[in-house]
Amino acid sequence: DGGITQSPKYLFRKEGQNVTLSCEQNLNHDAMYWYRQDPGQGLRLIYYSQIVNDFQKGDIAEGYSVSREKKESFPLTVTSAQKNPTAFYLCASRPGQYQNTEAFFGQGTRLTVV
Amino acid sequence: AQSVAQPEDQVKVAEGNPLTVKCTYSVSGNPYLFWYVQYPNRGLQFLLKYITGDNLVKGSYGFEAEFNKSQTSFHLKKPSALVSDSALYFCAVRDGGGYNKLIFGAGTRLAVHP
Repeated sequence: DGGITQSPKYLFRKEGQNVTLSCEQNLNHDAMYWYRQDPGQGLRLIYYSQIVNDFQKGDIAEGYSVSREKKESFPLTVTSAQKNPTAFYLCASRPGQYQNTEAFFGQGTRLTVV
Repeated sequence: AQSVAQPEDQVKVAEGNPLTVKCTYSVSGNPYLFWYVQYPNRGLQFLLKYITGDNLVKGSYGFEAEFNKSQTSFHLKKPSALVSDSALYFCAVRDGGGYNKLIFGAGTRLAVHP
């Protein structure tokens, strides 16, 4: 089946730790995105990437980092600099060359600081 | 800057009644608009989009949306609500920048009661 796979589904982080959230897609999409979801705030864009080895900061990039070494993979690292990382994280992808196409979303990773 | 607003945090309807979830937008140029649905602890599922053409757009699960340029609105509708329609609904607009990222509203929680 084609789609986007996020792992793990649940993740617990201790204070001061870096953690990495995985996002893999087999849709052959060029563009990939990371969003953070908090109650009542909708989705806020963290980072996005149009092609391999290229990525751009979104609206709330501080305390996060990404890489795009392969077309199908766009991992997100939540660093210790992110002071309030507890949230639901969503990865998405879309065919980058078509402006009017919808984005496809993974099932999300819920990160909790313990 | 592109933006969308969902003026209602929550909408409650009785099963079998019509439902409307409101969305207004602010864009420069032609709007590309989307509706997504989210069930608890899941990713977003695409419902429908407006790119150009007919103002009434039909989508998945019996949903439709009406594009109104003069009122800058893109309200989601369904003639007869089901209890299983209860979920969180997001309106989104494509950002006109080169990366075509989606900008989301804060979401509206739809509750359909028997």
